[in-house]
Amino acid sequence: DAGVIQSPRHEVTEMGQEVTLRCKPISGHNSLFWYRQTMMRGLELLIYFNNNVPIDDSGMPEDRFSAKMPNASFSTLKIQPSEPRDSAVYFCATRGRGSSYNEQFFGPGTRLTVL
Amino acid sequence: SQQGEEDPQALSIQEGENATMNCSYKTSINNLQWYRQNSGRGLVHLILIRSNEREKHSGRLRVTLDTSKKSSSLLITASRAADTASYFCATEDGSARQLTFGSGTQLTVLP
Repeated sequence: DAGVIQSPRHEVTEMGQEVTLRCKPISGHNSLFWYRQTMMRGLELLIYFNNNVPIDDSGMPEDRFSAKMPNASFSTLKIQPSEPRDSAVYFCATRGRGSSYNEQFFGPGTRLTVL
Repeated sequence: SQQGEEDPQALSIQEGENATMNCSYKTSINNLQWYRQNSGRGLVHLILIRSNEREKHSGRLRVTLDTSKKSSSLLITASRAADTASYFCATEDGSARQLTFGSGTQLTVLP
C-alpha cells in the first residue's frame, strides 16, 4: 500500500490566489482528517470526515477554508483567497474502519507558502 | 488550545542513554497515543495506551499513564542517533474519536 498520498508536496503562491490541496486516503480507511502545522500553533485539527461526511469542522479557521470529500478515495482542502498567515504544512491523515482502529496514518504533508 | 503539553520542549542526550518525555492533558480520555515526526515528514504512530492501562511496552519504548494526574511518559531506552525526531502525545477523548496533539518534544541523540 502506498500510504496516504498528498499533492502537491510544495506550493508557493501569491496572496489572493486560490490554493487546492489534495489527499488520497489509504484504501479501506473511512475516517479522514486535515491538520495544519505551524511553529506558533503546533498541530491543529481543521476538519474530520467519517464515511465521506464532515463530522467536525470547528477547526476551520475562516470561511476562506473549505474541504470536501466527494468519495472514499479523494479529499480536497481549498483556501480562497489565500493569505500569508495561511503559510504552514498541511497534513492529511486517515484511520481504519471500526472502533478497534485508533491509529492515524499521516501523509507526507503539503508545505504551503503564501507570499 | 492544546490538550496535551509536552515536557521538556527539547532534549539532547548521548547515544545509548535513555530519553524520557512527559505529557500532561486536561480532560478525560479514551486513550493516549505517541507519534514521532522526522524533520520534513508526516507523523508516524508509535504506541497507544488505553485509559484503563497503566503501562505498555513496545520494543525500546515504554509508556506509562496516570489518569489521576492526567499525565503520561514515554521512555526510549538505549537511544540511537536515528531516534532523533520530534515526539508528540495525542489524546483521544469522548465519542468524537478525534486526536488532540501536544506541542511536542524535540529529541536529539548525539552519536
